[in-house]
Amino acid sequence: EVQLVESGGGLVKPGGSLRLSCAASGFTFSSYSMNWVRQAPGKGLEWVSSISSSSSYIYYADSVKGRFTISRDNAKNSLYLQMNSLRAEDTAVYYCAGGPNYFDYWGQGTLVTVSS
Amino acid sequence: QAVLTQPSSLSASPGASASLTCTLRSGINVGTYRIYWYQQKPGSPPQYLLRYKSDSDKQQGSGVPSRFSGSKDASANAGILLISGLQSEDEADYYCMIWHSSAYVFGTGTKVTVL
Repeated sequence: EVQLVESGGGLVKPGGSLRLSCAASGFTFSSYSMNWVRQAPGKGLEWVSSISSSSSYIYYADSVKGRFTISRDNAKNSLYLQMNSLRAEDTAVYYCAGGPNYFDYWGQGTLVTVSS
Repeated sequence: QAVLTQPSSLSASPGASASLTCTLRSGINVGTYRIYWYQQKPGSPPQYLLRYKSDSDKQQGSGVPSRFSGSKDASANAGILLISGLQSEDEADYYCMIWHSSAYVFGTGTKVTVL
């Protein structure tokens, strides 16, 4: 059974940092690109970042470029998102997603709240 | 103007067909893109439904019923998700997505209500 389990969310003050993790199982993690997608409360989906299977290619949405860093550890079947200089508008549920069609599998999400 | 525009809502009766559109911004040709579709029910993560570029380049998500299908309307520069034989369980938000200019772009989403 495919599982993606996010962790690391929580309440942080503006300007603060958080590191999200996503533990993958049930599929060949190292073969596929992985992604982070977020959803602000009551809003639609917003792509955040993507990383290729070997970390050779990395992409970011303009809204997070320069503040967020995506990485992965294929030996640990894990995906990460380091989030710095957080803003109120970064408040959202953050999902990790991946698979052969890029977003086949999704985790349940982790809530990040940026507030003073 | 958003890259991908979807109607905010759509209502239909059980058993009817629902056609959800995903219109690409002027200047972006729908014919060159794979369009991905996702379903999201309240309180749950999105689920992958299918992708469609052409009849020779399409893929159904694992376990997704065949009553969900994709197509394109080139004259409208739009991707289409067709749901045939609507069921109450199809009530959800639906999002389209493309890969454009080194970024994934999601549509604005359509809320489908089954009356």
